[in-house]
Amino acid sequence: KAGVTQTPRYLIKTRGQQVTLSCSPISGHRSVSWYQQTPGQGLQFLFEYFSETQRNKGNFPGRFSGRQFSNSRSEMNVSTLELGDSALYLCASSFLSGRESYEQYFGPGTRLTVT
Amino acid sequence: SQQGEEDPQALSIQEGENATMNCSYKTSINNLQWYRQNSGRGLVHLILIRSNEREKHSGRLRVTLDTSKKSSSLLITASRAADTASYFCAGVPTNYGGSQGNLIFGKGTKLSVKP
Repeated sequence: KAGVTQTPRYLIKTRGQQVTLSCSPISGHRSVSWYQQTPGQGLQFLFEYFSETQRNKGNFPGRFSGRQFSNSRSEMNVSTLELGDSALYLCASSFLSGRESYEQYFGPGTRLTVT
Repeated sequence: SQQGEEDPQALSIQEGENATMNCSYKTSINNLQWYRQNSGRGLVHLILIRSNEREKHSGRLRVTLDTSKKSSSLLITASRAADTASYFCAGVPTNYGGSQGNLIFGKGTKLSVKP
């Protein structure tokens, strides 16, 4: 089975611009979660989608949004980029969602640099 | 924000030695998982231990869980240079959902194994 793929792998944007990141989960996985990783804050949960519905959302401003398509592929969008949005954005997929979730399978991440 | 704390933050050992990393968490969890991350890349799931288990083994890995102390430890025996990575504990909260999402990560232990 192919793993979780994320595109693009690297991205450089300017403050004020917007960006869209893409994630393709493992075939058959319906849950996709997004995390932001920075040296200062570590790994922080952004949101989770399951069967095209947002199940949970982390404590991030409304500039961060996402969606999931019928084929379980997911995108996240960040509008009006700020310097502090520079981070590694990780996508993870799992077969189940909820309290009985098993391990999550992570993609390689998208390294976003905002200048 | 994260609710897990790993200890130590950094660990440097020689090949062949054992490495022990500890994790403490604040919220009640349904299960606890350990992940490895090679520099700047995605996370790889190592092992999952359920809240009703006290110890689990997988190859050179041994994980313990003490729910009364809200702590877990990861032991890597006979370490190799290839084990050099950051290790994170992550818990699935019993009050799953909401802004916490499905996994709450600690800040990680950076392990360096010298050949």
